[in-house]
Amino acid sequence: QSVLTQPPSASGTPGQRVTISCSGSSSNIGSNTVNWYQQLPGTAPKLLIYSDNQRPSGVPDRFSGSKSGTSASLAISGLHSEDEADYFCAAWDDSLNGPVFGGGTKLTVL
Amino acid sequence: EVQLVESGGGLVQPGRSLRLSCAASGFTFDDYAMHWVRQVPGKGLEWVSGISWNSGSIGYADSVKGRFTISRDNAKNSLYLQMNSLRAEDTALYYCAKDIWVGGGSHGSPSFDPWGQGTRVTVSS
Repeated sequence: QSVLTQPPSASGTPGQRVTISCSGSSSNIGSNTVNWYQQLPGTAPKLLIYSDNQRPSGVPDRFSGSKSGTSASLAISGLHSEDEADYFCAAWDDSLNGPVFGGGTKLTVL
Repeated sequence: EVQLVESGGGLVQPGRSLRLSCAASGFTFDDYAMHWVRQVPGKGLEWVSGISWNSGSIGYADSVKGRFTISRDNAKNSLYLQMNSLRAEDTALYYCAKDIWVGGGSHGSPSFDPWGQGTRVTVSS
């Protein structure tokens, strides 16, 4: 069982806005920044959001991150078929003294 | 182009050892902390170990502490993971990943970019 909790699945239609949640605790999300990764089928994870809401160069502004208390969210607006992937949240955990990941959310574009 | 290429994976019996390597190119290797992250196919991600730019700071997940050793050779732009006393639960795809922060340590927010393509480790008799 993962330290960070994500819904196992999410879905949306092209053009729609979807959000994926990530729930943690005071020792991780509540006191450290959150990162989001996108993993397309058969490929390595790719950094999508860092420091709660920052996008690496090359990541479209359709992707945005937010955080409140011990929870974080990834929003994808104007959904594209190529956004179909697994999405993982990640944060440092002060109690475990190491990075922790969410279990991942499989996004399906209908 | 920043590139990370892992090697050294394979099939190994429980209790035996394996050494993974990660060859880096396209960036100043000794400016960045590096990490190993593993993934059981179809499952989630698990951070395994991290090492600071100068090897001065090293961290391990509790699940591998005392069995795995991370190291780096900045002269060779290479990262390593020595895995001893392997168990069936160590079976996974092992990725090496670069920290995005210059001068970062082994501890800190897991902001990793890019990742290699992974090398598969299977522990089975």
